[in-house]
Amino acid sequence: DSGVTQTPKHLITATGQRVTLRCSPRSGDLSVYWYQQSLDQGLQFLIQYYNGEERAKGNILERFSAQQFPDLHSELNLSSLELGDSALYFCASSYQTGITNTGELFFGEGSRLTVL
Amino acid sequence: ELKVEQNPLFLSMQEGKNYTIYCNYSTTSDRLYWYRQDPGKSLESLFVLLSNGAVKQEGRLMASLDTKARLSTLHITAAVHDLSATYFCAVDVSDKLIFGTGTRLQVFP
Repeated sequence: DSGVTQTPKHLITATGQRVTLRCSPRSGDLSVYWYQQSLDQGLQFLIQYYNGEERAKGNILERFSAQQFPDLHSELNLSSLELGDSALYFCASSYQTGITNTGELFFGEGSRLTVL
Repeated sequence: ELKVEQNPLFLSMQEGKNYTIYCNYSTTSDRLYWYRQDPGKSLESLFVLLSNGAVKQEGRLMASLDTKARLSTLHITAAVHDLSATYFCAVDVSDKLIFGTGTRLQVFP
């Protein structure tokens, strides 16, 4: 158990709908990362938040958005869903001090999204 | 564009044999990570390599990093069935990890 909690574990929805994925980082971790894993694209970095602020952006579609709340949990919002959005969405967390930082990420169990 | 390439993509090997997985990357980075993923499961951290020449070993797995060649290797010694999984390398670029394509390893008796 990495200590990173993601909900829901499984989600089935229809095209055009909107869903929210939730992530609670490990206790004490300030950074949250979102990744998408699909068969054709592999593991793609989407976005990173550090202590409530967006820090880095990757291949995140405009239909997707995320935020990190004061209690450090994060939500990934996916809207106008398409069949190609079906994937496993991982959240990861790390503790970054800016002084000593291994950069190691600890991953949650993922949220499997199926768009029909 | 940053590329992180692993080879082979698929590896089927017999128990007791040795093999090496290669991870090449196209940008400057001093930090590289190896993760393991079982089917449908999360990613488990295996090794954290933080400098040129770093070598780490855990059980039958040994990882090394050559930052000048932009190459990391994951060596498997005397493979056992429990090592069957997908292995990913990941390069630290501006505090985010960019993952390689993954190597799916299957160990058979």
